[in-house]
Amino acid sequence: NAGVTQTPKFQVLKTGQSMTLQCAQDMNHNSMYWYRQDPGMGLRLIYYSASEGTTDKGEVPNGYNVSRLNKREFSLRLESAAPSQTSVYFCASSERGSYNEQFFGPGTRLTVL
Amino acid sequence: KQEVTQIPAALSVPEGENLVLNCSFTDSAIYNLQWFRQDPGKGLTSLLLIQSSQREQTSGRLNASLDKSSGRSTLYIAASQPGDSATYLCAVPVNQGGKLIFGQGTELSVKP
Repeated sequence: NAGVTQTPKFQVLKTGQSMTLQCAQDMNHNSMYWYRQDPGMGLRLIYYSASEGTTDKGEVPNGYNVSRLNKREFSLRLESAAPSQTSVYFCASSERGSYNEQFFGPGTRLTVL
Repeated sequence: KQEVTQIPAALSVPEGENLVLNCSFTDSAIYNLQWFRQDPGKGLTSLLLIQSSQREQTSGRLNASLDKSSGRSTLYIAASQPGDSATYLCAVPVNQGGKLIFGQGTELSVKP
């Protein structure tokens, strides 16, 4: 079982470039999440998808878009990257929202120059 | 607004000691509380999930307790080992969708 996988592991962008972070889970979970982790700020939720076909904003959604492509995949897109988006991005999933454990992927380290 | 606090921010103990990590939350109306471990440069590993109806949950040398009325949870680690060195985070969901609010974490160092 791979659990939650994320690609790429590392990425360097220039200001204004766009990119999509990919996330997939093989646990047949209904809910998926995108977090960012910054020194001194901890982990903060960007967007989440409680079930296939739905997405909702978290604490820090500005500058991001998401797509729940199917039950397995949840992507995060930066349309015009800014240095403030330099961070480590984690994808997570749970069987059913708040009732179950969340399982995290290994993360994507993004640097925006 | 739910806030989650972990004190201390860092803790150093000699190998073999039993230790307790603390987590407090401001709104006692929680679904559950989850403890995670994060090694440097890695993702989060789920350690324990305590449902709001439970008072304790155990996994190996780990025991987590939950006291909703006082807004506190503790993670007890028995017979600590150098391999336990990591940052430990607690988190609570704030809606049915599973949006988690995290504490800042306690960085644990277990010295051989």
